[in-house]
Amino acid sequence: NAGVMQNPRHLVRRRGQEARLRCSPMKGHSHVYWYRQLPEEGLKFMVYLQKENIIDESGMPKERFSAEFPKEGPSILRIQQVVRGDSAAYFCASSPGWNRVRSSGANVLTFGAGSRLTVL
Amino acid sequence: AQKITQTQPGMFVQEKEAVTLDCTYDTSDQSYGLFWYKQPSSGEMIFLIYQGSYDEQNATEGRYSLNFQKARKSANLVISASQLGDSAMYFCAMREGLIQGAQKLVFGQGTRLTINP
Repeated sequence: NAGVMQNPRHLVRRRGQEARLRCSPMKGHSHVYWYRQLPEEGLKFMVYLQKENIIDESGMPKERFSAEFPKEGPSILRIQQVVRGDSAAYFCASSPGWNRVRSSGANVLTFGAGSRLTVL
Repeated sequence: AQKITQTQPGMFVQEKEAVTLDCTYDTSDQSYGLFWYKQPSSGEMIFLIYQGSYDEQNATEGRYSLNFQKARKSANLVISASQLGDSAMYFCAMREGLIQGAQKLVFGQGTRLTINP
């Protein structure tokens, strides 16, 4: 019963290149979230997706960043023309759909191990 | 706007002692959820414990308990009988909305806990 799978775990890019980070949610989970963690900081929400829909992208930078969660395959976080300030750990998390919320109300996010992006 | 404050950047504790990690929060919502996550040096985020704003009893999960004081807006994590493996970063987080809704968690800055043998 695999958890949230993220790859690559580590990615090095030069300024101006593109970075693509992939996330496969836990089996049975239909909601995906992306968070970013800058060094020595807490995680910050970026985007919330369901299959083929972006539900909330209020945390996404306006330019260069995009996310998708296609009908088939993993969710992708894409960063175009990377800059040094994009260096961070990017975490994907998943949760069940609303009709599968735990009775306690704790619809707990399950996080992946993260993808660490280094921009040279 | 929501805010989570963790005032202890680092803590050092002797093995087998209990430790309390502080967390205060600010929200105008009546319904919210509070979480604690552990991040070891390997980097993954591990869920520890959850407290709903309407839960009357403090949450407990094994050696972890959450000291929830709603009037003071605090949700401190208590780890009993600390172990060397507890050394990690600990993050307090809050979600608006009690049950459904987007899992837009707001995280604190974290506390780095070091357990000394």
